[in-house]
Amino acid sequence: GAGVSQSPSNKVTEKGKDVELRCDPISGHTALYWYRQRLGQGLEFLIYFQGNSAPDKSGLPSDRFSAERTGESVSTLTIQRTQQEDSAVYLCASSLRQGYYGYTFGSGTRLTVV
Amino acid sequence: AQRVTQPEKLLSVFKGAPVELKCNYSYSGSPELFWYVQYSRQRLQLLLRHISRESIKGFTADLNKGETSFHLKKPFAQEEDSAMYYCALRVDTGRRALTFGSGTRLQVQP
Repeated sequence: GAGVSQSPSNKVTEKGKDVELRCDPISGHTALYWYRQRLGQGLEFLIYFQGNSAPDKSGLPSDRFSAERTGESVSTLTIQRTQQEDSAVYLCASSLRQGYYGYTFGSGTRLTVV
Repeated sequence: AQRVTQPEKLLSVFKGAPVELKCNYSYSGSPELFWYVQYSRQRLQLLLRHISRESIKGFTADLNKGETSFHLKKPFAQEEDSAMYYCALRVDTGRRALTFGSGTRLQVQP
């Protein structure tokens, strides 16, 4: 597509439920990144995919968080047993290769855990 | 671990005044530095990269390795420059994803 697409744009869920967030990167972009942005704070790195290499999961805050990517296409970020502190905007970005030319960001998914 | 610090949460200037958005980083190697901008109701987008040594929308930024800084400057602010600005760093080893600062909101008043 023309840009990075994220869905849903907004998600309200009850504490303890699982949620799945989706990211469609720009076609041909081998690198894909997930970030979290809590209210009033900067972007917090979560996970990074580069082609068929093993993902860099070093930013995932707990084992409740996981992400998958099929080849160089869609990625899903799953949060299990959501907690109120998971409330944030989850941003996805893609780039041609390791971000040399900068990232193209999606519009984000605003997650609210009630 | 690498870190990016943007000391100002909010910077308010009048139209036509000079602007300097501060960014300091901590990393001992050879970093790549970026500035990203988010205008109201728009996506986060790349403004400029230090390796390009370019001027975008009148903004420039110079990497100062001695002071570990990458401040964003514009000589004459415009109202349309009002936005959130994020400084970001990528290191040459280990994690290849960008590390972002907490952002500075620039308000340009008429």
